[in-house]
Amino acid sequence: ETGVTQTPRHLVMGMTNKKSLKCEQHLGHNAMYWYKQSAKKPLELMFVYSLEERVENNSVPSRFSPECPNSSHLFLHLHTLQPEDSALYLCASSREAGLGNEQFFGPGTRLTVL
Amino acid sequence: TQLLEQSPQFLSIQEGENLTVYCNSSSVFSSLQWYRQEPGEGPVLLVTVVTGGEVKKLKRLTFQFGDARKDSSLHITAAQPGDTGLYLCAGAEGAGSYQLTFGKGTKLSVIP
Repeated sequence: ETGVTQTPRHLVMGMTNKKSLKCEQHLGHNAMYWYKQSAKKPLELMFVYSLEERVENNSVPSRFSPECPNSSHLFLHLHTLQPEDSALYLCASSREAGLGNEQFFGPGTRLTVL
Repeated sequence: TQLLEQSPQFLSIQEGENLTVYCNSSSVFSSLQWYRQEPGEGPVLLVTVVTGGEVKKLKRLTFQFGDARKDSSLHITAAQPGDTGLYLCAGAEGAGSYQLTFGKGTKLSVIP
């Protein structure tokens, strides 16, 4: 596998469920990102990790909990979500965190909260 | 909060036509990136422009960064069906920041 992979590609969950999104990058990058893409809204940065340390948290509700066990893997743990959390969740990686580093995106997980 | 306005929101053209899409802001950005996102995929970086007035060409795509670094345009010559997708611009606020401000995108459909 090359690039950035995300699983699952589609997820439907109820508001009381707990689920996790997984992202894996095969590029040897040190930084990883979670973004939320909703219809009719710009891409929103949620979290940034650099060398497994969280360096940015954009006021994201605590029902979203990220985890970065190593520089190749990133998780987004979900619990008690709301219907308005339905969106495409994109993972990205870059050689280093910060600007000037090209971000490579995964295909995303399409999440529907019922 | 810096905002990027993209126009038009939707564009449907015939194969072979030329088009221009715009990305405008009242704020200054240190650099600006253009991405293309195809259905079911994540965005793919096309180009980064850094210097005010800079023009970059990528085959049939021409990107321009405004002199004041507040706006940018993407011009496509002789559009092809493979150009269909969502075109996103994203501005970088400054050195040391992780934040990219994205526009809502222009959805382009090129009809054969």
